[in-house]
Amino acid sequence: SQELEQSPQSLIVQEGKNLTINCTSSKTLYGLYWYKQKYGEGLIFLMMLQKGGEEKSHEKITAKLDEKKQQSSLHITASQPSHAGIYLCGADNQAGTALIFGKGTTLSVSS
Amino acid sequence: ETGVTQTPRHLVMGMTNKKSLKCEQHLGHNAMYWYKQSAKKPLELMFVYSLEERVENNSVPSRFSPECPNSSHLFLHLHTLQPEDSALYLCASSHSASVPYNEQFFGPGTRLTVL
Repeated sequence: SQELEQSPQSLIVQEGKNLTINCTSSKTLYGLYWYKQKYGEGLIFLMMLQKGGEEKSHEKITAKLDEKKQQSSLHITASQPSHAGIYLCGADNQAGTALIFGKGTTLSVSS
Repeated sequence: ETGVTQTPRHLVMGMTNKKSLKCEQHLGHNAMYWYKQSAKKPLELMFVYSLEERVENNSVPSRFSPECPNSSHLFLHLHTLQPEDSALYLCASSHSASVPYNEQFFGPGTRLTVL
């Protein structure tokens, strides 16, 4: 079965600094999703990537799917306290009926 | 607000109780999902419904019983749960369950504690 590994598990950065979170799949990715979760709450959809080499940006967050389609990175520029939370990557399961998820990366931003 | 609501937000129950979790989506989607999120584990898919038909049951114990009366509502009936079932239960919806590349919209979750 497919597994998603996220790194790092947790991250503390100073406000204004840049950071990158990685998501590595054990199998080829056909759809890669990034979500953000505040502790104990639901997931907020950030971006979806489909094609190798695809890159999408929303405000100060950029996500990229590598050419071989087995890894994605999420980059935050000039981090702010509002960026704090848990970032999860998800991928379409083999049947295409639901998503599998990584364990998440907890981001803290200190001011 | 994602267009998916869940009630209750918090639930504490004993092992012999029977309770139900409710999910409602206001997005006109055809697929609905139940996920379980436990500490330090990835989200686990429990059930998938497409047009009120269950299309996936991910080896979930029978003490969890889903019900989907229409494409806007999804329930999870709980009975004789175990303390290890304590977790955040998340509901999600999407346009379709049979086509990939469609994002899922999540509700805020129900925090369940089993005593």
